[in-house]
Amino acid sequence: DQQVKQNSPSLSVQEGRISILNCDYTNSMFDYFLWYKKYPAEGPTFLISISSIKDKNEDGRFTVFLNKSAKHLSLHIVPSQPGDSAVYFCAASAQGAGNKLTFGGGTRVLVKP
Amino acid sequence: GAGVSQTPSNKVTEKGKYVELRCDPISGHTALYWYRQSLGQGPEFLIYFQGTGAADDSGLPNDRFFAVRPEGSVSTLKIQRTERGDSAVYLCASSLNPGQGKCTFGSGTRLTVV
Repeated sequence: DQQVKQNSPSLSVQEGRISILNCDYTNSMFDYFLWYKKYPAEGPTFLISISSIKDKNEDGRFTVFLNKSAKHLSLHIVPSQPGDSAVYFCAASAQGAGNKLTFGGGTRVLVKP
Repeated sequence: GAGVSQTPSNKVTEKGKYVELRCDPISGHTALYWYRQSLGQGPEFLIYFQGTGAADDSGLPNDRFFAVRPEGSVSTLKIQRTERGDSAVYLCASSLNPGQGKCTFGSGTRLTVV
């Protein structure tokens, strides 16, 4: 069973507008959540993270929101730029579970100029 | 080096053959991870090393897969009797502090079993 799910495989947005990526999880033991960005033929690169004790974390154009009761998190990118076009992966880890990451299936974002 | 280096970048092998995939982590990073990414999916955890020892190998799919990190730096993922279903991108990642899961990934080795 998929413990981390990204239900939207793709998203298209106009440059300058907001991109909202969603992620749901089922494992209540997850206590740290991360977003990674991946360009073709490259490895994923860390973007932003949030601890389960917080509900929001902001870093420049990127903000991650966590709703623990709904087991849902989202990534907001505003304003979106053409260079943001990539695949975005939501990931989660649980303390004491080997620090391994459980990834969602990814959302491909296309920012149109 | 500045980043995580994986070699080869591409590997094509025949079904039944043995392959080795190499990962050079960032210098000083004690934690090293192997993940496998199949087409259209997110990376899946295979194994995690802390230093020389495998702290968690629960993601290895079967006993054809084995990984080592003898000196706590370079790691090799070994796959015996390869099958077509092993075709995927194998990603290596390392981190200085294994807490919370933040790590630096290499570009991966694309393995194709024909």
